[in-house]
This record gives sequence, C-alpha cells and structure tokens, in this order.
Amino acid sequence: GAGVSQSPSNKVTEKGKDVELRCDPISGHTALYWYRQRLGQGLEFLIYFQGNSAPDKSGLPSDRFSAERTGESVSTLTIQRTQQEDSAVYLCASSLDQNQPQHFGDGTRLSIL
Amino acid sequence: QKEVEQDPGPLSVPEGAIVSLNCTYSNSAFQYFMWYRQYSRKGPELLMYTYSSGNKEDGRFTAQVDKSSKYISLFIRDSQPSDSATYLCATTTSGTYKYIFGTGTRLKVLA
Repeated sequence: GAGVSQSPSNKVTEKGKDVELRCDPISGHTALYWYRQRLGQGLEFLIYFQGNSAPDKSGLPSDRFSAERTGESVSTLTIQRTQQEDSAVYLCASSLDQNQPQHFGDGTRLSIL
Repeated sequence: QKEVEQDPGPLSVPEGAIVSLNCTYSNSAFQYFMWYRQYSRKGPELLMYTYSSGNKEDGRFTAQVDKSSKYISLFIRDSQPSDSATYLCATTTSGTYKYIFGTGTRLKVLA
C-alpha cells in the first residue's frame, strides 16, 4: 500500500520567495501532521489536522507559515517571504486517528539561498 | 532541560553485536513511547510503539520502558550493516498527538 507521499522532495529558492509543500496522507488516515527537522535537532511539531475539526496551529513558528487541508486528503504547507532560518526538512505524517501511531513521508528538503 | 534527551552518537559497533540505544525524559505524564529509524534522506520509519512500562519485542528489536527512572531503551540483536541509521525516540501523553522527539542517535554497524 502507498505510504505518505510528499512533494517536491527538494526545493531550493531565494530568500523572500514563497514556497508551497504538498503532502498526500495514507488513504483512510484522518489525522495529518507537519513537522520540521533542522540539522542536529529533534523533530519540531508545526500543525495538526483531524478530519473537519479546526487545526491545531500552535507549533507554527510565525505568521509566515500557514497550512491547509481539504477534508481528509491532501495538505499544503505554505511559507511566505522565506528566510534562511527556514532551511530544514519538512516532514508530513498521518495516522488513523490521533491515538494511533504516526507514519511519516520522506520529507521536503528546503534550502533558502 | 530538554523534555527528551538522547545521545547523538555516532555509535559504532561490529556486525552481530547487541546494540543498546537509550533516551531519558523529564515529564512523568508521558505514557506512549516510540522508536523510529531514519535512513539518510528518508523519513522516520516506525519501529516500536509501546504504552507505559515493560518490554515489547519484535524480531531482533526489543523496546524497554522504565517509568520509575524515566528511561527508555531499544535493543537490537544480531546487528546488521543495514541497521546503520539514525534512531529517534519519541513520547507523548495520553490523549494528545504532539510527539516529543529526541535528537536521534546515529548508529553505524561495521561489516
């Protein structure tokens, strides 16, 4: 069966540009999560979606970050006016519901020049 | 103090050795404990998912949780070069979805 799919796998962009990252969760998984992984640091929670409930955005580091999810399908994470400190691997995970283990995609490696 | 502490390594062992990977945590409310394996340029892959204290075995892998010491371990028996990866521990409280991750231990199994 298909796992969590993320695109693009790599993204290089100039400082100040906007970027959009995409996540396709495992089919049937109602919960979806975004994390950020910086070099030498643990995964950092960004945002959580569960079905049609209001998302938990408490981990978003600034108002330049936003995310959307349509129903129980695809999610996009958007970073506006990118800064060099946004360089990281952005990982998406999904689970059957919030009480089940999370399964990760391979991430988008974002580099800001 | 970080909520979850993990030695970054690298830890180098010969093929066939028993590997012990460890994490400590500070919040006694943590009840679910996970181990993920992450190969270079790949996402974390769930290895073990345990609740509360005790041991859980799956093939060559054994996860151990000692809540009294706030200490979690992953043992790998008969280690193989293909086990070379970064191992991440993670934990969370009951009824929440925010996993708290350690920074990962890099393991190298030498042929």
